[in-house]
Amino acid sequence: SQQGEEDPQALSIQEGENATMNCSYKTSINNLQWYRQNSGRGLVHLILIRSNEREKHSGRLRVTLDTSKKSSSLLITASRAADTASYFCATLYSNYQLIWGAGTKLIIKP
Amino acid sequence: DAGVTQSPTHLIKTRGQQVTLRCSPKSGHDTVSWYQQALGQGPQFIFQYYEEEERQRGNFPDRFSGHQFPNYSSELNVNALLLGDSALYLCASSNGPANTGELFFGEGSRLTVL
Repeated sequence: SQQGEEDPQALSIQEGENATMNCSYKTSINNLQWYRQNSGRGLVHLILIRSNEREKHSGRLRVTLDTSKKSSSLLITASRAADTASYFCATLYSNYQLIWGAGTKLIIKP
Repeated sequence: DAGVTQSPTHLIKTRGQQVTLRCSPKSGHDTVSWYQQALGQGPQFIFQYYEEEERQRGNFPDRFSGHQFPNYSSELNVNALLLGDSALYLCASSNGPANTGELFFGEGSRLTVL
C-alpha cells in the first residue's frame, strides 16, 4: 500500500487547546501538503511546504518540516469544534507522485 | 467559479457489474487525478489524466480504466466489480501534471458493491 505514516491515528482534545499531528516519509521530497477532510466529504487543501522551507503559517495553522528527520508536523492552535475532521499529509516525491498518509482523526470536545 | 464536480454522489451496484464515475475539473485546470478511499483510510492514487492521456498510474488492476475529454472532464470506469471496490472515489484537479501545487477535490462518489 502506498501510504506515508501519520501519528497519532486519533486525537481528542478540549476546545481551546492546541492540536499537533505528525507525518513521516521515506526519501527526499519536493513538497509536503496537508489536507483536511470532514466526514465522508472531499479533501480541502490547508498548507503546502516546499523542501527548502522549514516553517509556514496560515491563520491558526503552523506547519514545520524537518528534512533531516524526514518528518513534518501540523499544529492547530486554539482549537474549535469546527476543526473536528481527519487530517492527511501528502508527500510529493521526485517521480511527481503524491503519497498520502492514513490520516489523523481529530475530535474537539466542547 | 465552479469547483470540482463529481457525479453521481452515491450509487449501489452488485458484484460483476460495471460503473462509470464522472468528474468536471475546476475552471482553468487541465489535469485530473482519481483516488480511492476506503473507510478510515487515506486516499489511494488510481491514475492521473493530462492532455487526454493517462500520465501516471497507481497500483490498481486493469479493471480500473479512465478517459479524459477535450474539455478536461474525466471518467473513471470500473469493470467486474468486487465487494472490495466499495469506497469513496475522489476526483482532484490541478494545473499541470506535476502535482507541485495544491489539488482541488470534489465531494466524491460513494460506491457500494453488494
